Amino acid sequence: DTGVSQDPRHKITKRGQNVTFRCDPISEHNRLYWYRQTLGQGPEFLTYFQNEAQLEKSRLLSDRFSAERPKGSFSTLEIQRTEQGDSAMYLCASSLPGTGTYGYTFGSGTRLTVV
Amino acid sequence: QKEVEQNSGPLSVPEGAIASLNCTYSDRGSQSFFWYRQYSGKSPELIMFIYSNGDKEDGRFTAQLNKASQYVSLLIRDSQPSDSATYLCAVIDNNNDMRFGAGTRLTVKP
Repeated sequence: DTGVSQDPRHKITKRGQNVTFRCDPISEHNRLYWYRQTLGQGPEFLTYFQNEAQLEKSRLLSDRFSAERPKGSFSTLEIQRTEQGDSAMYLCASSLPGTGTYGYTFGSGTRLTVV
Repeated sequence: QKEVEQNSGPLSVPEGAIASLNCTYSDRGSQSFFWYRQYSGKSPELIMFIYSNGDKEDGRFTAQLNKASQYVSLLIRDSQPSDSATYLCAVIDNNNDMRFGAGTRLTVKP
């Protein structure tokens, strides 16, 4: 396990379609985060899990977005009825608890383009 | 007011010079501060973290924190063209969430 893995790396979808992204965190990390990053901006927090529990959701996460982490390992982020404004890089990160001091490890991201 | 603010740049320095990157934050309860480097099209990678007032040095990088002024900076000594990237300042806020600035784009010219 060499890091945080995200799949797919790129996704092009038509407006109105549903898409699902997967994140596999570092195996011993029990915290998992989803961020969204648009061009020229820093990553924006979407949601976070500790084990399988989703502990916080940003107001950026509309009803069309849902995230799961059913067994406390990998996580999925689904966007329903995609809109052009959803085009962004979706980043996953993981950490150990109490490692706010040490930061998060990010995956390579999934770049979503909605056409 | 944004929670974490950075000058967007671009900041251009000649090779071998010192690059100085600045960041201010609004949540006075913030405890941990980070600098990430992000190359174009890539994900952020952690280069420094600091949580005590003062300076912290790691190789060519020095992070400086002043909690009273709500200010954190990153100095890069002997800048190299490979340092050209966007530098993101990040803060763990009172909700224990990591918040990012928009980033400063640094260009180091040979």
